[in-house]
Amino acid sequence: EAEVAQSPRYKITEKSQAVAFWCDPISGHATLYWYRQILGQGPELLVQFQDESVVDDSQLPKDRFSAERLKGVDSTLKIQPAELGDSAMYLCASSWQTSGRSDTQYFGPGTRLTVL
Amino acid sequence: AQSVTQLGSHVSVSEGALVLLRCNYSSSVPPYLFWYVQYPNQGLQLLLKYTSAATLVKGINGFEAEFKKSETSFHLTKPSAHMSDAAEYFCAVSDLGQFYFGTGTSLTVIP
Repeated sequence: EAEVAQSPRYKITEKSQAVAFWCDPISGHATLYWYRQILGQGPELLVQFQDESVVDDSQLPKDRFSAERLKGVDSTLKIQPAELGDSAMYLCASSWQTSGRSDTQYFGPGTRLTVL
Repeated sequence: AQSVTQLGSHVSVSEGALVLLRCNYSSSVPPYLFWYVQYPNQGLQLLLKYTSAATLVKGINGFEAEFKKSETSFHLTKPSAHMSDAAEYFCAVSDLGQFYFGTGTSLTVIP
């Protein structure tokens, strides 16, 4: 069964350092999402891609976060510099298409970030 | 605007007892609704989804949910809890491909 891959699974960094997370969606999925999940809360969307284009990044803190999906396949989310409040689980998800309201989002295992 | 409310951030049931996790939604259009389960330090796994077909939706692991438009609810149930059901459960509503998640319900199963 195809899965969304993410790496690393765990990352510990010091504040002010740069961190990067990688996501490889299910093959053929045009839409890719990055979520942040703070402990005890539901996932919150950071950025949404349709192929290589950003569809929604309204909740992405652009002063320190950046995301790219250059070839419309895998994606990288970067934080520079990291702050203590960035400690969270970062989840990647993919689906067939944006316009399908009933499309299921398939989630990767996530990257647990701890900022010291 | 779309949103979901999950009543009860923590639910405890005895093994073999009925599981009932509550979800109410707010949507300006006919909703598409989902339930996901999350085990510790893992991603979210789809349990079931409602897409305007049958109002009673059956999912994996013996879970099912009933869409009730009059109550704007989509509660998740399982007749008999198993120890392996202990996890975090999230209800979500979809609009134009964007998901809006509830705050989650942590299910504890007591042996």
